[in-house]
Order: sequence, then structure tokens, then C-alpha cells
Amino acid sequence: QQQVKQSPQSLIVQKGGISIINCAYENTAFDYFPWYQQFPGKGPALLIAIRPDVSEKKEGRFTISFNKSAKQFSLHIMDSQPGDSATYFCAASPGGYNKLIFGAGTRLAVHP
Amino acid sequence: DTEVTQTPKHLVMGMTNKKSLKCEQHMGHRAMYWYKQKAKKPPELMFVYSYEKLSINESVPSRFSPECPNSSLLNLHLHALQPEDSALYLCASSQDDSPGYEQFFGPGTRLTVL
Repeated sequence: QQQVKQSPQSLIVQKGGISIINCAYENTAFDYFPWYQQFPGKGPALLIAIRPDVSEKKEGRFTISFNKSAKQFSLHIMDSQPGDSATYFCAASPGGYNKLIFGAGTRLAVHP
Repeated sequence: DTEVTQTPKHLVMGMTNKKSLKCEQHMGHRAMYWYKQKAKKPPELMFVYSYEKLSINESVPSRFSPECPNSSLLNLHLHALQPEDSALYLCASSQDDSPGYEQFFGPGTRLTVL
């Protein structure tokens, strides 16, 4: 119940294309859903986050879509660029304390 | 300053050594975290400190001993580690330990246990 399932494991997209990464969870107590981006040799950095009372959040080229009834959320990267090549982690935080439970990660490669 | 710094960047130690990892932040954050990340895996939470007190220990073996000397500093003391403890150790901080506060991660210390 504490798991967050993330897919795909890896993704190759052409420059200018749309990258889509999906996550699913079971625990209805989760109430905060961030996405982190990690480059090799660096720590993860927050990209965008959403609460379950919102179905979509957009920040620049990055959009989170959230489906509370299906317990799924996804990250869309529009106009993907080679600089977006990184590992992306979805995460969820249960109510009560700021503990992040990460998905397995998606390695995104954007080819020029 | 929105930076979490970690030292050293790399550490190689034998199984009988004692070493420490250091983490520092000057953002006025009151929650600090240690995570362990194995290659090609997600970070896994080890410890959470809130207002300089240990609030979460994720059943971490006692060979890892955290310490929070003040609100800006977090240490992880290592003793009698095993080769399987080799990993990237990440420190993070957030304004508060309540849900929804962004966690800022440092670059990590890459630990190799021989």
C-alpha cells in the first residue's frame, strides 16, 4: 500500500515530441504528489507538484495530470529538449508528515 | 541561498573504519533528511530530523548513526559498514516536516565500502 508504481522504466523521445510518464498508487492517504528530476551526479530537484484536489497543473512545458478516482497521475513534457534527458521520479507523501515515497524512476533520453 | 551542501563528495572506507558524512543548509529549514540511493534506484528515506530532534528512523541498522548538532547541520556517522552499504547518500532539507513542503536535495556523497 505504500508503493508508487512508475512506468515506463525508460523512454526515448525525439526533440520537440511529448514525453509522458505515468504513476499509480494504492494508499488513499497520500495527499501530495511531486515529480523530481535527477541528472547524473546530482541530487534530485523538484520539478512540479500537485495536490489531489486539483486535476491538472501546468508549469511551462511541464504538466501534471491527476486522476483521483483511478489513483493515477502523470507527467507530460511538451516540446521535449535534449536538456530534458534525465531520470524522473514521481513520489507521494502520506498525510501527517513529509515522507517521500518514490516511484522506481524513468530514464528519459531526448534525441536531437 | 537555496543550496544544500554535502561533504565529502566521495568516500572510500573499509569495513572496520569509522567515518562521517556532513550536510549543511542555510535556508532556515527546520527539517532535514538522510536518503540512501543505490545505482538506478530511487532514493530511500533513512532518517528525518525535525527541529533538531529525530522524528523518523526507517528501521536503519545501528551502524548508521545520525546527528543534528544544530538546525543547519546534519551528520551521518558510519561504523562497521558492509559492502552492500555502498551507495549515494543524499541529504535534503525542507522548511518544515509537514507534508507538501519542498525537499531540497544536496548532490550526495558517493560511498564505497571495501
